[in-house]
Amino acid sequence: DAGVTQSPTHLIKTRGQQVTLRCSPKSGHDTVSWYQQALGQGPQFIFQYYEEEERQRGNFPDRFSGHQFPNYSSELNVNALLLGDSALYLCASTPWAGGPNEQYFGPGTRLTVT
Amino acid sequence: GESVGLHLPTLSVQEGDNSIINCAYSNSASDYFIWYKQESGKGPQFIIDIRSNMDKRQGQRVTVLLNKTVKHLSLQIAATQPGDSAVYFCAEIWNSGYSTLTFGKGTMLLVSP
Repeated sequence: DAGVTQSPTHLIKTRGQQVTLRCSPKSGHDTVSWYQQALGQGPQFIFQYYEEEERQRGNFPDRFSGHQFPNYSSELNVNALLLGDSALYLCASTPWAGGPNEQYFGPGTRLTVT
Repeated sequence: GESVGLHLPTLSVQEGDNSIINCAYSNSASDYFIWYKQESGKGPQFIIDIRSNMDKRQGQRVTVLLNKTVKHLSLQIAATQPGDSAVYFCAEIWNSGYSTLTFGKGTMLLVSP
């Protein structure tokens, strides 16, 4: 049983560009959350998707957007990249009806903005 | 692998020692808490959880203590092993129904053989 997978592993972009990160949830999970983890910090919640809709959102600007597909996979899009967007982006999946202890994290995508 | 431990508080112990990692949480209304372990190049991994109506919970080699009066959590690891070396985060949830985690700052645990 595959866990949460993310692609790509690493990505380098230039300021002002746009980026799309991808996540496939663990089998049986229908809810996907995205987190941003700056170096030396704990992850910060960006948003959560369920039934192809954004259900909750953290304190991130509109440059951060997402999408969930019918197969429950998800994308994170960031427009007009800033140097401060450089971070590890983590995807976590859970069953909607499951408890917080059923949330599994992927290995992350390391985004570097130059 | 990817390092997540830059500038984090560090706890260095010898193999076989007991380790205690502390965390101050932010919201007195939080009703659920989780400890995560994050190894280099990996995402956070669930260790143990505790609800706000409990003071203590034990797992295999790990114990979590919750002091709601001072908004403090601790993770105790018995007989620490080199494989326990990682960054440890506490996380709180304000609304258990949504599973949205608010993470603390993290502590790096280094275990010497």
